[in-house]
Amino acid sequence: GENVEQHPSTLSVQEGDSAVIKCTYSDSASNYFPWYKQELGKRPQLIIDIRSNVGEKKDQRIAVTLNKTAKHFSLHITETQPEDSAVYFCAARITNAGKSTFGDGTTLTVKP
Amino acid sequence: GAVVSQHPSWVICKSGTSVKIECRSLDFQATTMFWYRQFPKQSLMLMATSNEGSKATYEQGVEKDKFLINHASLTLSTLTVTSAHPEDSSFYICSAALGRGDNSPLHFGNGTRLTVT
Repeated sequence: GENVEQHPSTLSVQEGDSAVIKCTYSDSASNYFPWYKQELGKRPQLIIDIRSNVGEKKDQRIAVTLNKTAKHFSLHITETQPEDSAVYFCAARITNAGKSTFGDGTTLTVKP
Repeated sequence: GAVVSQHPSWVICKSGTSVKIECRSLDFQATTMFWYRQFPKQSLMLMATSNEGSKATYEQGVEKDKFLINHASLTLSTLTVTSAHPEDSSFYICSAALGRGDNSPLHFGNGTRLTVT
């Protein structure tokens, strides 16, 4: 089955700095890669996603890049703010099966 | 946007009892729903895929007789934790894809925090 590895497990940055979280996946059939933000005790919220036919996608301060050859994708958050503090999960979707495999999560702390 | 509603948001039950958790897609039809389990400070672990009108597909290591899943309609899937024990205490979250395609976004319910005493 699919295996998704996520690094780092914790990340602390100063407000205004950039944050980068990286994930690798094992199944070359995966073609959909979402990123979720989860605040304590709440549901994961989709913040950005990318499909395998695209190398990069940006939405304001958030961007995601995908390298299909290397099987890795990254989340980039620029101009971080304290409210960006949360746990971020990457995921990879297995085609036809429909289910998503999640990374272990990254706890991001943005210090004011 | 698409909304997935999960109920109850929290439940406390005694060991040996059963607990039912409901997951509803409020403004779209979901032929497939997914049930995840999340321990504190850990990732979401897929338990099973719930298919409308057919049997659920369980992940390896998940006891299907303990975690009963029913997906009787296009908007409702239920997870019943039977004969619950303290080790079943966890955060259970359901999710559903907006569309039928492989690239449809996954939307999550609010989750249910189960505490078994």
